[in-house]
Amino acid sequence: EVQLVESGGGLIKPGGSLRLSCAASGFTFTSTWMAWVRQAPGKGLEWVGRIKSTSSGGTTDYAAPVKGRFAISRDDSKNTLYLQMNSLKTEDTAIYYCTRTFSSDSSASSWGQGTLVTVS
Amino acid sequence: EIVLTQSPGTLSLSPGERATLSCRASQSVTSSYLAWYQQKPGQAPRLLIYGASNRATGIPDRFSGSGSGTDFTLTISRLEPEDFAVYYCQQRDTSLSWTFGQGTKVEIK
Repeated sequence: EVQLVESGGGLIKPGGSLRLSCAASGFTFTSTWMAWVRQAPGKGLEWVGRIKSTSSGGTTDYAAPVKGRFAISRDDSKNTLYLQMNSLKTEDTAIYYCTRTFSSDSSASSWGQGTLVTVS
Repeated sequence: EIVLTQSPGTLSLSPGERATLSCRASQSVTSSYLAWYQQKPGQAPRLLIYGASNRATGIPDRFSGSGSGTDFTLTISRLEPEDFAVYYCQQRDTSLSWTFGQGTKVEIK
C-alpha cells in the first residue's frame, strides 16, 4: 500500500523558515517523480513544485509564487521528500500535500494527509 | 500559464441524477495531461481520471472523462451519496507546470 506521511508543519512568523518532510513507502521511491501541492484554507489546489527522480536528473521546477524561496529535495536512501520554505509570507498559509506523480508526471496518483503551515 | 476555468461553480443535484462538470482551458491542453480529482471535506484529493478519459485504479465506472483541446468534461452517470464533493481539473503544460481549476462543488439538492 502506498503511504505518504507529511510532517513539519506549524505556526511560523512572516520571514521565517520551515522544512516539511514526507516519508514515502509502498512504492519504488527512487524512480518516482514527486510533487508538492498546497491548499489555502477554504480555497482550491495550487501546485508548488516537483522533483524528478534521481535517474531523470533529480532536477526541480517551481510555481512562480514560490520560486527562489522554496526548495524541494529528496533523500532516496531514506525514501523521504523535503520542502524547504524560506522567507515565508502570510499568503503561504496552507495545507501542504506531498504527492506521487503518475503517467509521465501528468497527475498525482497518491496524496499524503497534508500538513498545515500557518504564517502569522 | 494555462488557466483552467471550471463550471458551474456549484451543481445542486439529487442522488441518482447525472452530473456534468466542465473544464475549459485558456490554451489547448494535451489530452494526456488532463486529470480530474475528487475532494471531500477534511480529506486529501483523490485522482479520478487521468489522460482526459482514463479511470484511475479503483474508480467506479459511473465516472467518465472526455474532451480535447480546450474543452473537457467529467460525467458522473448516476450520483451516489458518496459522490457529493468538490471536483478539480488539472493540467500539465509544455513548461512542465501544473495548474488546477478553481473547483466545482456537487451538492445535494
